[in-house]
Amino acid sequence: DGGITQSPKYLFRKEGQNVTLSCEQNLNHDAMYWYRQDPGQGLRLIYYSQIVNDFQKGDIAEGYSVSREKKESFPLTVTSAQKNPTAFYLCASSFTGTGVVEAFFGQGTRLTVV
Amino acid sequence: GQQVMQIPQYQHVQEGEDFTTYCNSSTTLSNIQWYKQRPGGHPVFLIQLVKSGEVKKQKRLTFQFGEAKKNSSLHITATQTTDVGTYFCAGHNYGQNFVFGPGTRLSVLP
Repeated sequence: DGGITQSPKYLFRKEGQNVTLSCEQNLNHDAMYWYRQDPGQGLRLIYYSQIVNDFQKGDIAEGYSVSREKKESFPLTVTSAQKNPTAFYLCASSFTGTGVVEAFFGQGTRLTVV
Repeated sequence: GQQVMQIPQYQHVQEGEDFTTYCNSSTTLSNIQWYKQRPGGHPVFLIQLVKSGEVKKQKRLTFQFGEAKKNSSLHITATQTTDVGTYFCAGHNYGQNFVFGPGTRLSVLP
């Protein structure tokens, strides 16, 4: 089955530690995105990538880093520089052409700093 | 940069009542999309509107795209408890990222 997979579903991190969230898709999508969602809030764009080996900062990139070494994978690292990392993180992917360009979301990772 | 706003932020309705959420973009869009996120879940694509003035229906849901391609609405007729969730609009220009609105959280009282 085609889809987009995020792991882990729940993640606990100690203050001062870096942590990496996984996002893998087998939909052959060129574009991938990372969003942060806080309780009762909307989706804020962290980083996005339209092509392998290239990515752009979103609205809240500070304290986060990404890589796009493969088309299928777009991992997000939450660094110790992120002051308030507890949130729900959503990865998405889409085609980049015209026509219906639907964003497919993963199940999300709930990160808690303890 | 581009901004997308939605109103209302919250809406509580009695089951069977109608519901409407409105979306406004600061810039003209190639298309606008609507997503639904159930409590505890992830956003799921509902529809994409492309043409100026376009109206599309999905059963009890009616979607409209404004003439200027900057605003949109989602109307649900005779809400049901299964409609509970947060409805997001997303402004999109081809080749660029999606800009999501803050969402409208709908609760339906049985």
